[in-house]
Amino acid sequence: DADVTQTPRNRITKTGKRIMLECSQTKGHDRMYWYRQDPGLGLRLIYYSFDVKDINKGEISDGYSVSRQAQAKFSLSLESAIPNQTALYFCATSDTTGGELFFGEGSRLTVL
Amino acid sequence: AQSVTQPDIHITVSEGASLELRCNYSYGATPYLFWYVQSPGQGLQLLLKYFSGDTLVQGIKGFEAEFKRSQSSFNLRKPSVHWSDAAEYFCAVGLYNQGGKLIFGQGTELSVKP
Repeated sequence: DADVTQTPRNRITKTGKRIMLECSQTKGHDRMYWYRQDPGLGLRLIYYSFDVKDINKGEISDGYSVSRQAQAKFSLSLESAIPNQTALYFCATSDTTGGELFFGEGSRLTVL
Repeated sequence: AQSVTQPDIHITVSEGASLELRCNYSYGATPYLFWYVQSPGQGLQLLLKYFSGDTLVQGIKGFEAEFKRSQSSFNLRKPSVHWSDAAEYFCAVGLYNQGGKLIFGQGTELSVKP
């Protein structure tokens, strides 16, 4: 089983719908991240969390919210999806400042 | 503001040829630097990382990278490319004064000709 698991892996939805992407990890890391990947733009940070009580906005947090339900779980929500949120979303974890990130396999979201 | 630039969007090399992927960063302190690889339909895998010490770092799959502070660069190299190296490569800088979050470059897609 993967250390960082994302569900769903693929999702097609319509404009205005609420969507939740879930991430769970078995690595025991405190730090969790949500990134968005778009062609030609690389990965951009949406939100990150250093522990259950610590949530921080990244560079592109508008239109997104997150919930850290437990050390191992970090969910990303789109309250009202729009087409320009069509992208590949990655969850990642790390255990130290400046340490490497461990990525899930990604969740591909299409908003029609 | 911190940033990472990968000037080459797409590179094509012949199998067996050498490879160099460029990465430049902007950060006001000594950075932590990373190279990740993403194969089609997969997540990102760490190739190598630089934290301190020797500026030439070795990674997996025969890759190496050299940190040059004077040029703010961290270029990735491989002496002989294999067809299985075709993928997208991302350079990233770790901002240790901001809790260690990573900022990524735009990515370089590598194609390998037979």
